[in-house]
Formats: sequence, C-alpha cells, structure tokens
Amino acid sequence: DIVMTQTPLSSPVTLGQPASISCRSSQSLVHSDGNTYLSWLQQRPGQPPRLLIYKISNRFSGVPDRFSGSGAGTDFTLKISRVEAEDVGVYYCTQATQFPWTFGQGTKVEIK
Amino acid sequence: QVQLVQSGAEVKKPGASVKVSCKASGYTFTNYGITWVRQAPGQGLEWMGWISAYNGNTDYAQKLQGRVTMTTDTSTSTAYMELRSLRSDDTAVYYCARDGGTSGVDYWGQGTLVTVSS
Repeated sequence: DIVMTQTPLSSPVTLGQPASISCRSSQSLVHSDGNTYLSWLQQRPGQPPRLLIYKISNRFSGVPDRFSGSGAGTDFTLKISRVEAEDVGVYYCTQATQFPWTFGQGTKVEIK
Repeated sequence: QVQLVQSGAEVKKPGASVKVSCKASGYTFTNYGITWVRQAPGQGLEWMGWISAYNGNTDYAQKLQGRVTMTTDTSTSTAYMELRSLRSDDTAVYYCARDGGTSGVDYWGQGTLVTVSS
C-alpha cells in the first residue's frame, strides 16, 4: 500500500498569514496514464470532507484561489496564501493512483 | 447539481450487519464510480473500497475483505455498502463519495453514523 505522510500534523496560523502543508508518498504517484492522482481535501468541524485540489494543482469548482497545490512524484504541498477563519479544519492529502486509495493522517489548521 | 444523500444513523449490536445507502442525483450515475470512506470518532479517514456504477466491479480494502459488500442499483441511482459481523471498532461515520475520475473524489455524502454497542 502507498503510505501518505503529512507534515506538520498541527498548524497554528495567524489570520491573514500563509500556511503550508506537506505530503509525501512512499512511492511515485504517477499513474500509467501519465496523470498523478493526488488530491487535497478539507474537513471543517462536523462536516464531511470537501475536495479542494485534484491532480496536484487543479482547484475544484468553487474553491477560492488562495488555495494552491504543487509538487510532483512523491512530494506535494498545499498552500493557503492568507488564512481566513473559515479555513479552520483538518486537511488531508489522498492518492487515487493505485488501489487501495490512501489518506494522509490529516493536518489540523487552527487560528493562533 | 450533484448530490449524494445517505441513509440515517444506525445503532447495531456486535455481530450484526448494517447496510448504508447513498442516493445519487444530478449526474449520470453509471458514468462514475462510488467510493466508501469511514471515520472513527476523532480519527482520520479510512478508505473502505470502490465500486464502478457502470459494471459493478469492486475493489475492497484488505482489512475488510470478507465482511464488506458494495453494490449499486442503477434503476434508482443508489449505491449500498453492507458491513457484516460488526465490532465495536466499526463505530464510525461512513461516507460515500463520487469518483470523478480525473477530478478525484469530488462530491461527498453527508455521512452516516453507525454505532456498534451491546
């Protein structure tokens, strides 16, 4: 199974400041079709997860442009350019390149 | 708009079975897969498996093999997840989500709390 490792696990951030989350996979996420199926999810308290970013860097419909994704191969990053109060929650990276799909442990973003 | 609406909360005794439904609307059901993910209280996300709504092909998490069955009913655009021989550590919120293909797991149901307790 592909292991997804996120750092940090907790990220206290000042409103308006940037935040960054790293995700590393135990093997390359490049699929045989050439795509890299690495996504980022946001889970606000008491809510189901919500897709933010797919295929490393594509923002899903309705996602604010302060969220951006980057990376390649086994190393990926989610950045929030200026954290807002509504960004509080847990962020997960996930891979769908290979069954079983796997998730990172989650990174809790909270306001200082 | 795409919606996935799940069945309501369940309380089950150890050893029993539970079947959670996930009714899809707003898109052509057979064009996408459905994945099931669970989340134990205070814990992270755990992938349970995937089913093609086109042909019923499945892939299950190794740890659930033999206890889980995923099915679809294309006449009602509904996906089902049945988990048998329930244990207390199966207590979790169970989510269905659409496999959007290249766009990832793009739409999620609201979640169904399954509590296993004697």
